[in-house]
Amino acid sequence: DAGVTQSPTHLIKTRGQHVTLRCSPISGHKSVSWYQQVLGQGPQFIFQYYEKEERGRGNFPDRFSARQFPNYSSELNVNALLLGDSALYLCASSWVGTGFNFGPGTRLTVT
Amino acid sequence: EDQVTQSPEALRLQEGESSSLNCSYTVSGLRGLFWYRQDPGKGPEFLFTLYSAGEEKEKERLKATLTKKESFLHITAPKPEDSATYLCAVDPFAGGYNKLIFGAGTRLAVHP
Repeated sequence: DAGVTQSPTHLIKTRGQHVTLRCSPISGHKSVSWYQQVLGQGPQFIFQYYEKEERGRGNFPDRFSARQFPNYSSELNVNALLLGDSALYLCASSWVGTGFNFGPGTRLTVT
Repeated sequence: EDQVTQSPEALRLQEGESSSLNCSYTVSGLRGLFWYRQDPGKGPEFLFTLYSAGEEKEKERLKATLTKKESFLHITAPKPEDSATYLCAVDPFAGGYNKLIFGAGTRLAVHP
């Protein structure tokens, strides 16, 4: 079975630019959550989506947004990038009776 | 405020030297406690879910236990391939959605 997939693997952006990160959940999982992990820290919750609606949001500014598509895949968008947005962005898929399965992450570097 | 604290921050063991990692938590209500393993630059790999005090789960050299205030990850006779960062997370009751709150992790190094 394919696990959670994320793209791209890594990317480099300049301050002020916009970025879109993508996630495909495990087949049968209808919920996708996004986390930000800064080097040396544990992941921090950004959003949870299921049935294409935002169900929960962490303490992140409005520059961060996301959406979920009919096939349950998801995009995370970050506008007006800051140096502090440099991190590993993780996607986790889940559904009833499953745990939270994380993808390999997207390493974002903002210069 | 919901909070997770892991100790120690780093642990160095000799191969075969058993030890335990600690995860202390404060939550208004607990839906589940999770342990993950994370290798450098990769996503967390699921190890265990614990739901209620007294519960224990085992997998190879790892055993996780849960009380009302903390969880332990016991590593028996570790091998160099067990070297990784071990993350603990709680899923508190939070407005009808799931929000994992992570500790900062314990970096484990096992030397031959």
